[in-house]
Amino acid sequence: ETGVTQSPTHLIKTRGQQVTLRCSSQSGHNTVSWYQQALGQGPQFIFQYYREEENGRGNFPPRFSGLQFPNYSSELNVNALELDDSALYLCASSFYLGGSPPHGYTFGSGTRLTVV
Amino acid sequence: AQSVSQHNHHVILSEAASLELGCNYSYGGTVNLFWYVQYPGQHLQLLLKYFSGDPLVKGIKGFEAEFIKSKFSFNLRKPSVQWSDTAEYFCAVNALMGTYKYIFGTGTRLKVLA
Repeated sequence: ETGVTQSPTHLIKTRGQQVTLRCSSQSGHNTVSWYQQALGQGPQFIFQYYREEENGRGNFPPRFSGLQFPNYSSELNVNALELDDSALYLCASSFYLGGSPPHGYTFGSGTRLTVV
Repeated sequence: AQSVSQHNHHVILSEAASLELGCNYSYGGTVNLFWYVQYPGQHLQLLLKYFSGDPLVKGIKGFEAEFIKSKFSFNLRKPSVQWSDTAEYFCAVNALMGTYKYIFGTGTRLKVLA
């Protein structure tokens, strides 16, 4: 059973650029959620995807967007990067039946994004 | 706004000491509660979770947590810590707010002295 894998592991971008982060969910999982973890903070929920649609979103602006593919993998896109977007971006997958909450998430190791 | 509070940001204990990490949440509806651990250089791992039933839940590595609904709390405990428990611990709440959202606390960094 494979876990959650994220790529790339580290990334440096310039302010104003766009970035795409990728996540492969754990085998058997159908839901992917993304989190931003700034230094010294807990993970902040960005959004969640189920059946290729966003079904939950935290307090992040529209320039944070995502996709989920038929194989349940996912992308996080961030446009017009700002310095404050520098953080560890975590992806987590789970199995969601709809109507009942996921029974915990499996997290990837994250992508460390630095915006300069 | 819904939030999760972890009151202790840094805790230092000697081996064999007892541990209790506080977690309080502010949400009046049905919640599911989790504790995650992040060992140095590793990814977040689920320690334990509470969905329903017995409010005292046992997790991996000798950890347990008690859900006290009246206090909106879900404190993590371990009777005797080991040096290998040095890590950061995150409390999280999964609640239905239109759709399910997952809210994490800011974390407690535990250091266990050998």
